[in-house]
Amino acid sequence: KQEVTQIPAALSVPEGENLVLNCSFTDSAIYNLQWFRQDPGKGLTSLLLIQSSQREQTSGRLNASLDKSSGRSTLYIAASQPGDSATYLCAVRPLSGSARQLTFGSGTQLTVLP
Amino acid sequence: DAGVIQSPRHEVTEMGQEVTLRCKPISGHNSLFWYRQTMMRGLELLIYFNNNVPIDDSGMPEDRFSAKMPNASFSTLKIQPSEPRDSAVYFCASSRVGGQDTQYFGPGTRLTVL
Repeated sequence: KQEVTQIPAALSVPEGENLVLNCSFTDSAIYNLQWFRQDPGKGLTSLLLIQSSQREQTSGRLNASLDKSSGRSTLYIAASQPGDSATYLCAVRPLSGSARQLTFGSGTQLTVLP
Repeated sequence: DAGVIQSPRHEVTEMGQEVTLRCKPISGHNSLFWYRQTMMRGLELLIYFNNNVPIDDSGMPEDRFSAKMPNASFSTLKIQPSEPRDSAVYFCASSRVGGQDTQYFGPGTRLTVL
């Protein structure tokens, strides 16, 4: 059974810092990996999706990398801003079967201090 | 597009009562997912539909939970009878079948069972 782990559970940084969030998964047979953002009391917003054949994806100040063989992904946030404060979750989709379910990590709660 | 629509946004009920949560997926999306999020267990997939047909309901906790999708634009998740341990935020998400398969989440329904 796939397990997704995110460390640390919480992170607090001053505004302007570059930071890295980590995600690890136990089964490397994945179709893709997604990073989501969740604001308090809100749903999840997809940030980046990396297909299993890709190594990284970029969107603005965000860069996500994928090392499938080692079961790791990182989300890099450049020049962090208070508006980046949220919980960030990674999720992996299995390679095999017809299932479309994602297995989610428990998230990293990020606080960017002004 | 208005995105995934869920109702109600908040529901408070007493133990033993029937609860019905509703979801309208994004038009043109063929897959629909119901998730439950709690502090203890994180985000868990309950059931997902493909072209209105339930594909995987292995995440449904017990017989008190049931889900239907009578047409492509509407789904319900019903809990009967409800129990305090059902208190959680329930999310609905939808996606296209195939392609990049990004899931789009609704704002969630916060359920409190007293």
